[in-house]
Amino acid sequence: DVVMTQTPVSLSVSLGGQVSISCRSSQSLVHNNGNTYLSWYLQKPGQSPQLLIYKVSNRFSGISDRFSGSGSGTDFTLKISRVEPDDLGVYYCGQGTQYPLTFGSGTKLEIK
Amino acid sequence: QVKLLQSGAALVKPGASVKMSCKASGYTFTDYWVSWVKQSHGKSLEWIGEIYPNSGATNFNEKFKGKATLTVDKSTSTAYMELSRLTSEDSAIYYCTRISYWGQGVMVTVSS
Repeated sequence: DVVMTQTPVSLSVSLGGQVSISCRSSQSLVHNNGNTYLSWYLQKPGQSPQLLIYKVSNRFSGISDRFSGSGSGTDFTLKISRVEPDDLGVYYCGQGTQYPLTFGSGTKLEIK
Repeated sequence: QVKLLQSGAALVKPGASVKMSCKASGYTFTDYWVSWVKQSHGKSLEWIGEIYPNSGATNFNEKFKGKATLTVDKSTSTAYMELSRLTSEDSAIYYCTRISYWGQGVMVTVSS
């Protein structure tokens, strides 16, 4: 199985600040079809996960441009700029390139 | 809009089975794979498997083969997951998801 390693485990940021979350995979996430199926999700307290970013850098419908994804191969980053109170929660990366689909262990974002 | 409405929480005895539902609306049910994801208390996300409603084809995480059975009812646009031979390790929240859209989750508690 592809192991997804997220860092840091948690981070605290001031409102209006910027944060980066790293996600590394144990194998390349480049699919045979040339696509890289790396997604980012946010799980707000008491809610289901919601998709933020798909295929590394594509924002899902309705997602603010304050969220941006980048990376390639096995190394990926989610950046959140101008952090708002509603951004708090746990962020997960996930891969859909290889079965079984796997997720990182999560990064908890707290607002200072 | 796309919605995945899951059945209510379940309290089941060890050794028993539980079947949960996921009713889809707002899109053509037969066009998209539906995945099921487990989230144990305070932990990350585990992909159980997926089903393609049009054909009934399935893919499973090896870990959940023999534990989970996935079915659909195309006439009602509903996906089902049955978990068998339940133990305390199966106590968790279970989500159905199109990956881009997630149900609200079903809390399953296994207790005598």
